[in-house]
Amino acid sequence: AQTVTQSQPEMSVQEAETVTLSCTYDTSENNYYLFWYKQPPSRQMILVIRQEAYKQQNATENRFSVNFQKAAKSFSLKISDSQLGDTAMYFCAFTFRTGANNLFFGTGTRLTVIP
Amino acid sequence: NAGVTQTPKFQVLKTGQSMTLQCAQDMNHEYMSWYRQDPGMGLRLIHYSVGAGITDQGEVPNGYNVSRSTTEDFPLRLLSAAPSQTSVYFCASSLARGYEQYFGPGTRLTVT
Repeated sequence: AQTVTQSQPEMSVQEAETVTLSCTYDTSENNYYLFWYKQPPSRQMILVIRQEAYKQQNATENRFSVNFQKAAKSFSLKISDSQLGDTAMYFCAFTFRTGANNLFFGTGTRLTVIP
Repeated sequence: NAGVTQTPKFQVLKTGQSMTLQCAQDMNHEYMSWYRQDPGMGLRLIHYSVGAGITDQGEVPNGYNVSRSTTEDFPLRLLSAAPSQTSVYFCASSLARGYEQYFGPGTRLTVT
């Protein structure tokens, strides 16, 4: 079975500070993609960052970066210089390189950026 | 380019009623999926399609039907609504396996 675990249901961070959201996953497959999605109060799901499992280099996207540890099946998201607009639910997810392309989601972490 | 559109945004049904949630994308994506989002459970896959005329079940398919007659449209049908189907429903599409899935704005469905 494919599972994604986000062990931090809620987190908060001061504006301009750095925060790390954790994610672990379990799969017996070797080829997959990992994602972090953001869901603000508007309910829209927005892609934050994408990581290809066969690439050792950690993905970065402006203030967002990941720490991908394939052997440990860990995929954490670091948000630098947190902004009020980062307040949202954050979901970790993965999909396989072959097959249906459906996403397996974690239960989410609610992040609040405090002014 | 509207991306992924869903209608309606909100819907209230009585138990036993049927309805269709509409989903359309204008990006010529082959892959389309329906997810439901329940509190504390993340998103779970209901049905998916890898191209026109091809659909398959996801993790929680019971009580739902889909069809894919065109590349653009992927409607989700509730056959006989039940309170357990109260949820937020998202449609998504992607160009290919492993690529970003683009999500619609969601439909909040309440079954009384």
